[in-house]
Amino acid sequence: AQSVTQLDSQVPVFEEAPVELRCNYSSSVSVYLFWYVQYPNQGLQLLLKYLSGSTLVESINGFEAEFNKSQTSFHLRKPSVHISDTAEYFCAVSPGGTSYGKLTFGQGTILTVHP
Amino acid sequence: DGGITQSPKYLFRKEGQNVTLSCEQNLNHDAMYWYRQDPGQGLRLIYYSQIVNDFQKGDIAEGYSVSREKKESFPLTVTSAQKNPTAFYLCASSSPRGTLDTEAFFGQGTRLTVV
Repeated sequence: AQSVTQLDSQVPVFEEAPVELRCNYSSSVSVYLFWYVQYPNQGLQLLLKYLSGSTLVESINGFEAEFNKSQTSFHLRKPSVHISDTAEYFCAVSPGGTSYGKLTFGQGTILTVHP
Repeated sequence: DGGITQSPKYLFRKEGQNVTLSCEQNLNHDAMYWYRQDPGQGLRLIYYSQIVNDFQKGDIAEGYSVSREKKESFPLTVTSAQKNPTAFYLCASSSPRGTLDTEAFFGQGTRLTVV
């Protein structure tokens, strides 16, 4: 079984400031790791994923996450946030050997960017 | 455009009535999933299907039923046995492990309100 803990339920930050959204997971098997973003009343969009290889993964809009196996973490970071980054962010894991959509999610972190 | 279509976007029902939520995908994905989202709890897996005419219970299947008669369609029925059905329901699909689509794709969701 897997579990995911997002350590902050809400993160307020000013525009152009850096941000880190924290995610820890627990699993007895190897997992794939994902960050999804959700805007109000919409579905989830994939932000970035770690499957294998380099432990630092990046998205096209400036976010990055680093897989740390020893600390079982997959924290999401952005060096300078914009108003448009305001959304809810979900960390999720999927067990290796099965389909990618069978996800275990964290509780979500609401990122609010203030002008 | 390929994607997942959920309908309707908003649904109101009286307590004690069964209701069916639609999910259709044209991504040619084998696997489909239903998740329930409640504030502060992340997403929880209700049912999933990895192939036509086969499906498995997720973590919170009680009070729900599904069918998978076609590859493109995975409807979810919320029965009167579901004690607290008011929630945001998300459908997703994915390809089997080892194919090019290495993540789950989500629909825009259906917000069900039971009064």
